Amino acid sequence: ETGVTQTPRHLVMGMTNKKSLKCEQHLGHNAMYWYKQSAKKPLELMFVYSLEERVENNSVPSRFSPECPNSSHLFLHLHTLQPEDSALYLCASSRTTSGSYNEQFFGPGTRLTVL
Amino acid sequence: AQKITQTQPGMFVQEKEAVTLDCTYDTSDPSYGLFWYKQPSSGEMIFLIYQGSYDQQNATEGRYSLNFQKARKSANLVISASQLGDSAMYFCAMREDRDDKIIFGKGTRLHILP
Repeated sequence: ETGVTQTPRHLVMGMTNKKSLKCEQHLGHNAMYWYKQSAKKPLELMFVYSLEERVENNSVPSRFSPECPNSSHLFLHLHTLQPEDSALYLCASSRTTSGSYNEQFFGPGTRLTVL
Repeated sequence: AQKITQTQPGMFVQEKEAVTLDCTYDTSDPSYGLFWYKQPSSGEMIFLIYQGSYDQQNATEGRYSLNFQKARKSANLVISASQLGDSAMYFCAMREDRDDKIIFGKGTRLHILP
């Protein structure tokens, strides 16, 4: 089983749609992350969850709503997005959130296009 | 101020040559970790190598090595004997022990030429 999976891999949505991105990790990790990767920008951390509790919200607009029902699953609910939200959304997991050596394992990403 | 700086937006290298990808960082935390990730065109981020701020020796993982120069705050990735499959985006990242975040640089796109 691949370590971190994300579905869907590609998503096209209109600005009035509501959709959700799903991430699942099979590594027994306690921390999960959402990142946004836009063209020509550094990878941006959006949300961090540790043991299903949100520990970081990096000034992300409310049209992005995360949900972490358990330590293996992470969702990103999307509604009334803007075209500039088009990007690659990457999910990652790590054993914990503390300590400098905490390798993050990334999923393949969801390529989102907002029309 | 940028915490992670990758000054090479793109590089072209002949196959089988060694490659050095530059990364400088900025932190006042004495305890931190440095990472390199590879991102092929598929989008997945692949962990390559890690260097801790207190590690005495440079990290090595197969063809990857990290040239860690602490005083210069430099953590360059060296890929020996490059292969066509090394063509990808490469990200340098840092995690400070006082923080939960990993901060990524803008990346360097590496093209290996046959």
